[in-house]
Amino acid sequence: ETGVTQTPRHLVMGMTNKKSLKCEQHLGHNAMYWYKQSAKKPLELMFVYNFKEQTENNSVPSRFSPECPNSSHLFLHLHTLQPEDSALYLCASSRTGLADNTDTQYFGPGTRLTVL
Amino acid sequence: GQNIDQPTEMTATEGAIVQINCTYQTSGFNGLFWYQQHAGEAPTFLSYNVLDGLEEKGRFSSFLSRSKGYSYLLLKELQMKDSASYLCAVKDSNYQLIWGAGTKLIIKP
Repeated sequence: ETGVTQTPRHLVMGMTNKKSLKCEQHLGHNAMYWYKQSAKKPLELMFVYNFKEQTENNSVPSRFSPECPNSSHLFLHLHTLQPEDSALYLCASSRTGLADNTDTQYFGPGTRLTVL
Repeated sequence: GQNIDQPTEMTATEGAIVQINCTYQTSGFNGLFWYQQHAGEAPTFLSYNVLDGLEEKGRFSSFLSRSKGYSYLLLKELQMKDSASYLCAVKDSNYQLIWGAGTKLIIKP
């Protein structure tokens, strides 16, 4: 399998549930990202990991908890979400994630999350 | 604050040419990216500009003017499969990507 994969592709959960989103990249990259995409809004960066270390947390509520066990895998653990958290959650990876003009992010297909 | 502006929606005819504009105000500039995103799919990388001028890649070209804070994506010989959203993003002084809300392009026969 190539590129960036995400599972599940669709998820419906209640506000009291706990679930996890999974992302895997097969590109040999060292940086991974979680984004939230809501309709007609810019992509919102949530978390960044470089070489398995978290380097960005853009004021994301604690009900979202990331985990990066190695450079190829990234998880987003969800608990006690709110209906306004319903969105498309995109994972991306890039070669370095460092101060590099040309470092390009490659995206997975996303998980469409609905919180009831 | 930092801001990326692009039209919300555009319509064009199959076989024609369309230009999607993007203007930006960011703290610093380390390159501009264009991505294509079909409904329900991953954004896919189209082009990268860091110097002024036109970069051509097949039917798609991207232009940058850093002094004007302006870029456009030019799509020629439009095909129905080009119906998608086109995302503009600028890498700021901290090398973080600042994203526009995307332009939904509708192609009509």
